[in-house]
Amino acid sequence: QVQLKESGPGLVQPSQTLSLTCTVAGFSLTSYNVHWVRQPPGKGLEWMGVIWNTGGTRYNSALKSRLSISKDTSKSQVFLKMNSLQTEDTATYYCARDRGIAAMMDAWGQGASVTVSS
Amino acid sequence: AIVLNQSPSSIIASQGEKVTITCRASSSISSNYLHWYQQKPGAFPKLVIYSTSYRASGVPSRFSGSGSGTSYSFTISRVEAEDVATYYCQQGSSNPFTFGSGTKLEIK
Repeated sequence: QVQLKESGPGLVQPSQTLSLTCTVAGFSLTSYNVHWVRQPPGKGLEWMGVIWNTGGTRYNSALKSRLSISKDTSKSQVFLKMNSLQTEDTATYYCARDRGIAAMMDAWGQGASVTVSS
Repeated sequence: AIVLNQSPSSIIASQGEKVTITCRASSSISSNYLHWYQQKPGAFPKLVIYSTSYRASGVPSRFSGSGSGTSYSFTISRVEAEDVATYYCQQGSSNPFTFGSGTKLEIK
């Protein structure tokens, strides 16, 4: 059964770094890509970046200077790190699987809610 | 970046009614790279239509998609109460892989 689950701190202070983990099951990170997508409260979806099955990455240029995505294939985990957080980074953060067909995200995690506040 | 303009932003429909959502891209996209997602209230997004017109696994046949170039559409042939959700188009053609702004579907 394909599963993705995000985990991380629910509260981050302004200017600090956000670290999130996406733990996957039912598929291998050597065969599938994983995207990160976020959604501010009451707003739409924003694509953040992707780590390819090969380990390469691609980021949204709007976030590129602050964002890093990596993975540990042996642990079936994908990591997101974003620094210099501000209140506008408050959002639900999702990881989603892409089987390599045109960035189509066919399975999603339930999301991790992150609030940036002092 | 490719901007996806979705319209309308909201729809109020009666059960059994046909609804259509339009997604217009600021640059031409291969039809292979245009997808639609459904996000029910309080839930994560779910893939409904991929590559313009292919239904994802388990998606009822009342959902369909069409289009090419810069103009795409998503249709629910007969709306049911369980279809209440926000629908998003998304392009996977060029970085960043943008989403439309969403269309909120409500039932009368």
